[in-house]
Amino acid sequence: SAVISQKPSRDICQRGTSLTIQCQVDSQVTMMFWYRQQPGQSLTLIATANQGSEATYESGFVIDKFPISRPNLTFSTLTVSNMSPEDSSIYLCSVAVSRGRGDEQFFGPGTRLTVL
Amino acid sequence: GNSVTQMEGPVTLSEEAFLTINCTYTATGYPSLFWYVQYPGEGLQLLLKATKADDKGSNKGFEATYRKETTSFHLEKGSVQVSDSAVYFCALRDSGNTPLVFGKGTRLSVIA
Repeated sequence: SAVISQKPSRDICQRGTSLTIQCQVDSQVTMMFWYRQQPGQSLTLIATANQGSEATYESGFVIDKFPISRPNLTFSTLTVSNMSPEDSSIYLCSVAVSRGRGDEQFFGPGTRLTVL
Repeated sequence: GNSVTQMEGPVTLSEEAFLTINCTYTATGYPSLFWYVQYPGEGLQLLLKATKADDKGSNKGFEATYRKETTSFHLEKGSVQVSDSAVYFCALRDSGNTPLVFGKGTRLSVIA
């Protein structure tokens, strides 16, 4: 399995500011993903972040708003830029680990962001 | 594209009742199918999975069978407990190293 930690666990931020969320994995993984879970909603994929390449963003998400770094195989950051109240969500880091037939995907505990 | 549709919640059941949460999917390839659970105040956990047609995933008394002919992966449990109260997400992963695609989630409340 993979143990994932995220920092901060929660934060309350002012409109117009930026927050960087850190994701640390206890093993080396190639594929890392960032999801958003808005209040009462399902998980929506923001981007895929593979080490050594630019992050790939899903429709509706752009690099200027959600810049991602992936400096090595155990760490990634997601920045939520120029925040507005609509960005209030739980942001989750996830990794895929090979398990024989297919991959298994593990999730971090999430970062609960509230924007005032 | 790939998508997952699961029954709307919330679902409220009495303890020891039978549970079914419906899930159907649309995929271009031959996906693996998953059920994840999110207990109150906790992170997302894998509950069970099935990687090919007719496979049955099971865990903690929950079961789901991969039905290719009906593109379904319904979650069932014969006798629910209060501790099963949580949000349940059906998800799929297409072949290869692609990320999970989730359904909207179904909130289950079990009352004593």
